[in-house]
Amino acid sequence: RKEVEQDPGPFNVPEGATVAFNCTYSNSASQSFFWYRQDCRKEPKLLMSVYSSGNEDGRFTAQLNRASQYISLLIRDSKLSDSATYLCVVNTGFQKLVFGTGTRLLVSP
Amino acid sequence: DAGVIQSPRHEVTEMGQEVTLRCKPISGHDYLFWYRQTMMRGLELLIYFNNNVPIDDSGMPEDRFSAKMPNASFSTLKIQPSEPRDSAVYFCASSLGVPEQFFGPGTRLTVL
Repeated sequence: RKEVEQDPGPFNVPEGATVAFNCTYSNSASQSFFWYRQDCRKEPKLLMSVYSSGNEDGRFTAQLNRASQYISLLIRDSKLSDSATYLCVVNTGFQKLVFGTGTRLLVSP
Repeated sequence: DAGVIQSPRHEVTEMGQEVTLRCKPISGHDYLFWYRQTMMRGLELLIYFNNNVPIDDSGMPEDRFSAKMPNASFSTLKIQPSEPRDSAVYFCASSLGVPEQFFGPGTRLTVL
């Protein structure tokens, strides 16, 4: 079983739609959680951290459920510029980040 | 400010040849990471350094791979001999610690 699992997609949505991605992780000792964004043929960049209490950054909301070992990302009012691959990332300790293989989002006009 | 710098950006080589990838981390960052990304396996951590010292190389696939960090501003990842299955995008990243790792643009390696 992979340490971090994501639905690869692609998720095809129209502009203005709300879309949600989910991710599960296998290591119950994982310490911290993040979403990174990767544009086509570019490097990954940190999008946001994920906290148990949930956190919001503009149109983006991230949630963590430690009991179910589940992380989510919600994007409201999708923009064309949101088209990218979203990587679920788990810190297993000692500076090591484990990346999911990503969920691809395509936002169309 | 300059971000993480990697060279070359693209490398095409033949099986059996030695390949050297280079990375300059962001000044002041004390962690440096080497990753490999493929469609099938995603982004995998190969090795990371703290203050120029290798901390965890458990992700290095085999003895053909080696990495060095002779000083705080330079690191290399070497593959010798290279094989077609090594074809991937290799990223270098640096950080001051979790959560944000800053990635370089990557080196796209093709081994024929």
